[in-house]
Amino acid sequence: DAMVIQNPRYQVTQFGKPVTLSCSQTLNHNVMYWYQQKSSQAPKLLFHYYDKDFNNEADTPDNFQSRRPNTSFCFLDIRSPGLGDAAMYLCATSRDGVNTEAFFGQGTRLTVV
Amino acid sequence: GQNIDQPTEMTATEGAIVQINCTYQTSGFNGLFWYQQHAGEAPTFLSYNVLDGLEEKGRFSSFLSRSKGYSYLLLKELQMKDSASYLCAVPPLAAGNKLTFGGGTRVLVKP
Repeated sequence: DAMVIQNPRYQVTQFGKPVTLSCSQTLNHNVMYWYQQKSSQAPKLLFHYYDKDFNNEADTPDNFQSRRPNTSFCFLDIRSPGLGDAAMYLCATSRDGVNTEAFFGQGTRLTVV
Repeated sequence: GQNIDQPTEMTATEGAIVQINCTYQTSGFNGLFWYQQHAGEAPTFLSYNVLDGLEEKGRFSSFLSRSKGYSYLLLKELQMKDSASYLCAVPPLAAGNKLTFGGGTRVLVKP
């Protein structure tokens, strides 16, 4: 049974057209992460939430925003996607982030046309 | 700050053993994770080491030396399905709820 669910698995969007990726979890974990992974590279952390506290990485572009309306759901908003934003976007959760493993969703592969 | 180094690629033969090294420099230490990621799929958890020594889990073992800032993942009796990327991750102590990855090591298993 999937515990971290990302929708959709594949998303095609137009250059400059806002797009939202969604993630839900059934684990009741405190921490939710968004990663960007480009081909043949390791996942790069964009930001994470500890409960409602939002933590942005210093090098995450302003074009990327996130929302966590409740424990179960977290959204990644890309305000104006560029061709360089085409990537796999991974959502992950962990219970409290300290000494605990992260559970990943299957990812959303974003294509920008 | 945090710095994690892994080899980029390794090739091994089916049935053999491969050792993937990871060296790290981090502010404080909160444990070290290994993840496996098959192409096009999400990373899956393999192991977590917080104390020095070897932890064995079936065909996979992970070793940690905190004094040397060094870990390795040992894959034994390699199977074709072990072809994947292996990611080392070391959360810094000061930001315990932030998991960041090294560059990953792509392992190719040949028949």
